[in-house]
Amino acid sequence: NAGVTQTPKFQVLKTGQSMTLQCAQDMNHEYMSWYRQDPGMGLRLIHYSVGAGITDQGEVPNGYNVSRSTTEDFPLRLLSAAPSQTSVYFCASSLTGMKQFFGPGTRLTVL
Amino acid sequence: ILNVEQSPQSLHVQEGDSTNFTCSFPSSNFYALHWYRWETAKSPEALFVMTLNGDEKKKGRISATLNTKEGYSYLYIKGSQPEDSATYLCAFSAGNNRKLIWGLGTSLAVNP
Repeated sequence: NAGVTQTPKFQVLKTGQSMTLQCAQDMNHEYMSWYRQDPGMGLRLIHYSVGAGITDQGEVPNGYNVSRSTTEDFPLRLLSAAPSQTSVYFCASSLTGMKQFFGPGTRLTVL
Repeated sequence: ILNVEQSPQSLHVQEGDSTNFTCSFPSSNFYALHWYRWETAKSPEALFVMTLNGDEKKKGRISATLNTKEGYSYLYIKGSQPEDSATYLCAFSAGNNRKLIWGLGTSLAVNP
């Protein structure tokens, strides 16, 4: 199993650009989440999903959209990038919503 | 506002020392307490998930205890090794909600 994969690993955007961070898992996990990690702050939940077709907002959802059309994929869309979205983004999946398996992360810089 | 606090923020120990860290969380409506290990340039990896008051978990030289009534968990490392150097995160969930609230972590450096 590849586990949780994320692409790209690094990305630089200009303010106002849009992009999609990809996340996929091959463990047939129902639960998937997107977090952002900023210096001096704990992991913060952006959006999460408890199964295909079901998504909900986390702690910091503004400026991000998600969809879950399949069990395997959970892309995160930045609609109009802002410098405040410069961060490291982690995708995680879980079979039961308990033990989380994390992807390798995407380091995003918005200029 | 749900808050998870970890102490100390950082710790430097010598190889062979035993050490422990604390995670404090709201005691009301407890569901689960997680411990993760996060090495530099890698992703967090799960160590333990605990749900019952009095629970004790062990993996090799690392163990954890849980007190849900008073809202704390301890993580112990016996005989620290340089490869134990990492940030140790705890996370808490309340009710039947699987959303995790994360602490800032304890950064451990083990000197050889």
